[in-house]
Amino acid sequence: NAGVTQTPKFRVLKTGQSMTLLCAQDMNHEYMYWYRQDPGMGLRLIHYSVGEGTTAKGEVPDGYNVSRLKKQNFLLGLESAAPSQTSVYFCASGAVPGEQYFGPGTRLTVT
Amino acid sequence: AQSVTQLDSHVSVSEGTPVLLRCNYSSSYSPSLFWYVQHPNKGLQLLLKYTSAATLVKGINGFEAEFKKSETSFHLTKPSAHMSDAAEYFCVVRVSGGYNKLIFGAGTRLAVHP
Repeated sequence: NAGVTQTPKFRVLKTGQSMTLLCAQDMNHEYMYWYRQDPGMGLRLIHYSVGEGTTAKGEVPDGYNVSRLKKQNFLLGLESAAPSQTSVYFCASGAVPGEQYFGPGTRLTVT
Repeated sequence: AQSVTQLDSHVSVSEGTPVLLRCNYSSSYSPSLFWYVQHPNKGLQLLLKYTSAATLVKGINGFEAEFKKSETSFHLTKPSAHMSDAAEYFCVVRVSGGYNKLIFGAGTRLAVHP
């Protein structure tokens, strides 16, 4: 059981470039989430999904898009990266309320 | 609105001494509260959870937390710190009716010295 995996682990982008972060889970969870973690701010929810084909905005959705075409995958896209999007991004999945399983994170730097 | 406040951004203890990480919550409803731990360069892991059963909750690695409604607190404790406990700890509240959405505190970084 791999749990929750994220690809890539590290990425450096120039301002204006685009990229997609991939999250995959093998636990058959309905709920999946994308967070960003910045120093002193805990984790903030970007977007989430309550099932295949559904997505919804979280606390800080601007500048990001998501898709959940398959139950096991949740993609996070940055169409035009900005330095303010430099952060560590975590994907999580869950089935039981409050219990979320996190991936190892993607460290993104936008220059 | 629901929220959590972690009262200390950094806590430093000696190995073998007790650990206390403080968390206050705000909620109009009976809250579901959690503590998550993040070791360096890792994802977060669930440590323990309170969901309106027993007010003293035991978690993994010897940690426990007590829900005190009168004080709106959910402090995390451990009787004796181990070097491997050095990590960042997050107090978390589940948004009621919110599709399992969580709100995280800012985190407390625990340092353990020999």
